[in-house]
Amino acid sequence: DVKVTQSSRYLVKRTGEKVFLECVQDMDHENMFWYRQDPGLGLRLIYFSYDVKMKEKGDIPEGYSVSREKKERFSLILESASTNQTSMYLCAIRTGGSDTQYFGPGTRLTVL
Amino acid sequence: EDKVVQSPLSLVVHEGDTVTLNCSYEVTNFRSLLWYKQEKKAPTFLFMLTSSGIEKKSGRLSSILDKKELSSILNITATQTGDSAIYLCAVPYAGGTSYGKLTFGQGTILTVHP
Repeated sequence: DVKVTQSSRYLVKRTGEKVFLECVQDMDHENMFWYRQDPGLGLRLIYFSYDVKMKEKGDIPEGYSVSREKKERFSLILESASTNQTSMYLCAIRTGGSDTQYFGPGTRLTVL
Repeated sequence: EDKVVQSPLSLVVHEGDTVTLNCSYEVTNFRSLLWYKQEKKAPTFLFMLTSSGIEKKSGRLSSILDKKELSSILNITATQTGDSAIYLCAVPYAGGTSYGKLTFGQGTILTVHP
């Protein structure tokens, strides 16, 4: 079974803080993704990575950066959190040549 | 730019009803269409439809791909309260280093009352 874990289920931060969200997979999958989910907007892709140290911007990268130093770990960084970044953040991996992505449990981030 | 639109955005039914959820797409190179169910937490994979597999069924859930109409439907028969969830439709991008990234629709919120 594919297993994707995220560092926190719930997180509360203050405006201006630097925030790290971590995603860890237990297999050797190359493609990892960060999405945010907001009511009425579905899932929107922030960044993704197709290998160690390789990354590409998704549809809404502004205000975010990512880091992938090891294959199993993909971090999303909010350099200076703002209230409009309050959202559910979901990490996903893509297995092999399939189009199917498997998701972690999500982190609900509140920025006050 | 790839685009996925789902309808309706929300739906309220009673147990035993049959529902049909819609997903339409505009993509440059169609490869597949995926359906996910999301309850309180992470989306879980339901079906993947492709040109060679346009119909899938699992229990009370079934899905059909209409490549001519660029759309798909997800049917749920004899709904139960446990079917209450957000249903998401997605299509992958098939090109370059962005290969495999998914574009999601807005989701349909299904509420099933006892």
